Amino acid sequence: DIQMTQSPSTLSASVGDRVTITCRASQSISSWLAWYQQKPGKAPKLLIYKASSLESGVPSRFSGSGSGTEFTLTISSLQPDDFATYYCQQYNRYRTFGQGTKVEIK
Amino acid sequence: QVQLQESGPGLVKPSQTLSLTCAVSGGSISSGGYSWSWIRQPPGKGLEWIGYIYYSGSTYYNPSLKSRVTISVDTSKNQFSLKLSSVTAADTAVYYCARTRVVGGAFDIWGQGTMVTVSS
Repeated sequence: DIQMTQSPSTLSASVGDRVTITCRASQSISSWLAWYQQKPGKAPKLLIYKASSLESGVPSRFSGSGSGTEFTLTISSLQPDDFATYYCQQYNRYRTFGQGTKVEIK
Repeated sequence: QVQLQESGPGLVKPSQTLSLTCAVSGGSISSGGYSWSWIRQPPGKGLEWIGYIYYSGSTYYNPSLKSRVTISVDTSKNQFSLKLSSVTAADTAVYYCARTRVVGGAFDIWGQGTMVTVSS
């Protein structure tokens, strides 16, 4: 099984901050990685697919990078609507999610 | 636009079978380029992929759940279903259905989710 590990588990930040979340795979997954945003009581929302492709309608302040085993999600300037939990997910073999990173208000 | 809606019992007794259906509207489940998935999230915890199915009926399951999971599709009703047998309290979760891109692999459209509690 491919394990996905996100860091940090919780991140405290202020509006306007640049935020980076890391996701590591237990083996190479090429670029087969997606990022999701989830708000309380809601379904996850796709932000990034194939490691760096921005989903249609997602603000350009979100970006993804990486390949192989190490990936990052960056929010260039944190907005009030961005306080949420973020998950990475691999689809190289089956599907596995990271444990999530909660972005909270500092 | 395509929408997904889960339905099914909110309470299941231990050792019984959990059964849920996902109705697809705004598009055909038989259209190429997608598979159809189930994902769950225990209260306060992360996401776990359960499995997915193509309109042809081909299925792929999470190895950790494979022995208890059956996913089926009914193209005439434009819906797909989940059965999870021998449930325990550990199966208590919000269950989501989602559309999965064959090329790109991500879950791009999700249902709103349905809470299922396993309790006697």
